[in-house]
Amino acid sequence: DGGITQSPKYLFRKEGQNVTLSCEQNLNHDAMYWYRQDPGQGLRLIYYSQIVNDFQKGDIAEGYSVSREKKESFPLTVTSAQKNPTAFYLCASSISGKTNTEAFFGQGTRLTVV
Amino acid sequence: AQKITQTQPGMFVQEKEAVTLDCTYDTSDPSYGLFWYKQPSSGEMIFLIYQGSYDQQNATEGRYSLNFQKARKSANLVISASQLGDSAMYFCAMRDDFSGNTPLVFGKGTRLSVIA
Repeated sequence: DGGITQSPKYLFRKEGQNVTLSCEQNLNHDAMYWYRQDPGQGLRLIYYSQIVNDFQKGDIAEGYSVSREKKESFPLTVTSAQKNPTAFYLCASSISGKTNTEAFFGQGTRLTVV
Repeated sequence: AQKITQTQPGMFVQEKEAVTLDCTYDTSDPSYGLFWYKQPSSGEMIFLIYQGSYDQQNATEGRYSLNFQKARKSANLVISASQLGDSAMYFCAMRDDFSGNTPLVFGKGTRLSVIA
């Protein structure tokens, strides 16, 4: 079945540690996105990539980094510079070049800093 | 500037009744697309319905319809015959680039609770 897989579902991190969230898709989509969700804040864009080896900062990129070495994969690293990393992280993908196509989402990763 | 505004943090509706979730948007681009997503407590985002700025008719998908008023920049979601399974967060989103190369921008959401 085609879709987006995020792992792990739950992640605990100690303060000061970097952690990487995995996102893999087999939909053959060019565009991939990372969103952060906090209670009452909706979804806020962290980074997005329209093509392999290229990505752009979103609204809240500080303290995060990404890579796009393969079309299928778009991992997100939450660095120790991120002041408040506890949140729900959603990865999405879509067909590039068509405004009427929806974004498909993974199941999300809930990150908790302990 | 906030592009998507959902003014109802929470809504209650009786089972089998219809409910309208409000969404207003802001863009200077004449070409844009509007989306609604449902997020159950499990966290997954489920695409519900799409409306293009040039579409002549309001979009419908089963029990979901979109009340699109372009001059007022509103794109309200109407759910008919509410079911208990409709209880969830609902997000309005927009892409205001007709090239399709920009990410979706989301509102803060409305939590819908369906009462038996």
